[in-house]
Amino acid sequence: GNSVTQMEGPVTLSEEAFLTINCTYTATGYPSLFWYVQYPGEGLQLLLKATKADDKGSNKGFEATYRKETTSFHLEKGSVQVSDSAVYFCALNSGGSNYKLTFGKGTLLTVNP
Amino acid sequence: NAGVTQTPKFQVLKTGQSMTLQCAQDMNHEYMSWYRQDPGMGLRLIHYSVGAGITDQGEVPNGYNVSRSTTEDFPLRLLSAAPSQTSVYFCASSPPRDRAMAFFGQGTRLTVV
Repeated sequence: GNSVTQMEGPVTLSEEAFLTINCTYTATGYPSLFWYVQYPGEGLQLLLKATKADDKGSNKGFEATYRKETTSFHLEKGSVQVSDSAVYFCALNSGGSNYKLTFGKGTLLTVNP
Repeated sequence: NAGVTQTPKFQVLKTGQSMTLQCAQDMNHEYMSWYRQDPGMGLRLIHYSVGAGITDQGEVPNGYNVSRSTTEDFPLRLLSAAPSQTSVYFCASSPPRDRAMAFFGQGTRLTVV
């Protein structure tokens, strides 16, 4: 079955530091890949997505590249801000008529001023 | 723009009590789903629906019932609450043009004592 493994947290960084959160996946076929973000006390929001190999998703300074050869979708940001403090979830959808999302366990990011 | 609305936001139940978590969306989305979020477990799919009158089980359906009489509403019922159902519950919906992109509600924090 499908699975997503992401970097264990928590991750604590200083403002303007470089961020990487690792995500690898196992899936049949050609899944779509997602990063969702959950700010304190809120529901999840889609941060970015990629639907095929070598696609790069980007939003709010965050980027992730769909690497089929390494089955990875690592999240990066060049300079984090305090407002980026949140839980980040990597997720996949196996495509076709399947709506289901499979989530990783989440990584808590705290950015200190 | 209401999006996905969940009520209540917080609830405390005694073991054995029943209750219904409400979820409504105003985006005319076909697909709706319920997840539970537990520390270190990510989000796990409880039940989902691909349209009015159609529901199916997800990864962790035991102890929960759902129905889908309208496109807008997808309530989750706990018939006899147990402490193991203490969790944060999220409802989500997805549009037909991008089935894997989920819009989440703000969540219901349920405690069963």
